[in-house]
Amino acid sequence: GIQVEQSPPDLILQEGANSTLRCNFSDSVNNLQWFHQNPWGQLINLFYIPSGTKQNGRLSATTVATERYSLLYISSSQTTDSGVYFCAVERAGNQFYFGTGTSLTVIP
Amino acid sequence: GAVVSQHPSWVICKSGTSVKIECRSLDFQATTMFWYRQFPKQSLMLMATSNEGSKATYEQGVEKDKFLINHASLTLSTLTVTSAHPEDSSFYICSATGGAVNTEAFFGQGTRLTVV
Repeated sequence: GIQVEQSPPDLILQEGANSTLRCNFSDSVNNLQWFHQNPWGQLINLFYIPSGTKQNGRLSATTVATERYSLLYISSSQTTDSGVYFCAVERAGNQFYFGTGTSLTVIP
Repeated sequence: GAVVSQHPSWVICKSGTSVKIECRSLDFQATTMFWYRQFPKQSLMLMATSNEGSKATYEQGVEKDKFLINHASLTLSTLTVTSAHPEDSSFYICSATGGAVNTEAFFGQGTRLTVV
């Protein structure tokens, strides 16, 4: 099956810092989504981004499908950004396969 | 975005009993729903694909007799963990799509199951 690797696995930031999270996948995909999992476990949709670049406030994402990677940028991080960030890819049939996750801690 | 509701949010049950988890699409018809399981500090693993009106498709290694899935309507899928054991304790989360290809997936809030 498809392999989805995220880096770094853990990240600690000072509030206000910027960061880049990476998602590499081993095969071509139809779709890619980024999620933030909050401390209660809920997955919050951040971006639906099979290709190209999107921005939403302090967050932006870029997917280069031909090179099989996606990046999530967080600028001016806040403590509420803490949590685990997952990318998930879909190959067919709307089945998503999740990456290994990046655990982000933003300290005041 | 679309709303997917999962119930209950958490449940504690005794070993040997069965637990039913519901997943509902509130504002769209979900021809397909998916069930995932997440162990602590791990990623989400796809367990099965639930298609309205037909049998679920299970991922390799998932016991279909232990994890019964029913998708009787376009807005409801249920996962029943039968004869639960402590090793079944996990976070279970569902997602739903409207059936069109290449569409965004929306997830329920998850159910934390603890088997004692």
